[in-house]
Amino acid sequence: EAQVTQNPRYLITVTGKKLTVTCSQNMNHEYMSWYRQDPGLGLRQIYYSMNVEVTDKGDVPEGYKVSRKEKRNFPLILESPSPNQTSLYFCASRPTGLSNQPQHFGDGTRLSIL
Amino acid sequence: GDSVTQMEGPVTLSEEAFLTINCTYTATGYPSLFWYVQYPGEGLQLLLKATKADDKGSNKGFEATYRKETTSFHLEKGSVQVSDSAVYFCALRAKGNTGFQKLVFGTGTRLLVSP
Repeated sequence: EAQVTQNPRYLITVTGKKLTVTCSQNMNHEYMSWYRQDPGLGLRQIYYSMNVEVTDKGDVPEGYKVSRKEKRNFPLILESPSPNQTSLYFCASRPTGLSNQPQHFGDGTRLSIL
Repeated sequence: GDSVTQMEGPVTLSEEAFLTINCTYTATGYPSLFWYVQYPGEGLQLLLKATKADDKGSNKGFEATYRKETTSFHLEKGSVQVSDSAVYFCALRAKGNTGFQKLVFGTGTRLLVSP
């Protein structure tokens, strides 16, 4: 089954404790992206990656890092989490060859930073 | 910059009522337009899309027509069901600063359908 898998689904942690949210897709997609969803703001893009070793900032990259060492994986790293990063996070992927192909989304990761 | 504006929710309807969720956009060029649906506890799923003016996207009884003259892509369904209760996001795909096409989302509209 084609899917985007995120882990963990839920996490409660404390300010300053480094965490990583993993994202993996099994569709051989070149493009992957991270979004955060906040009430009244919709989804905002954090980082995206066009392919292996190619990443770029989205609209709200501050406080986040990403890496793309393999095509299937695109982890989101919070080096020193802060309460304003409490949010619902989504990973997404799609092929880049056909520009109108929709993105496939993971089921989300709800982070609470205390 | 590019943006999408959706009506605020929640939209509360009785089963079998007619649904309209308004969406308007601002973009340079000719974006593709999408509606995504998010059921409770799940990620976003593509509901329908339209890639050029006057295209009509449709799926599961939902429809939306790409209206370039009014820069709109309103979502409609003739008879909603309880199972349609979800959050609906309008989105456009436009060129970003680097020339890459990025998705821009509206804020989402929650639909609540009661029996």
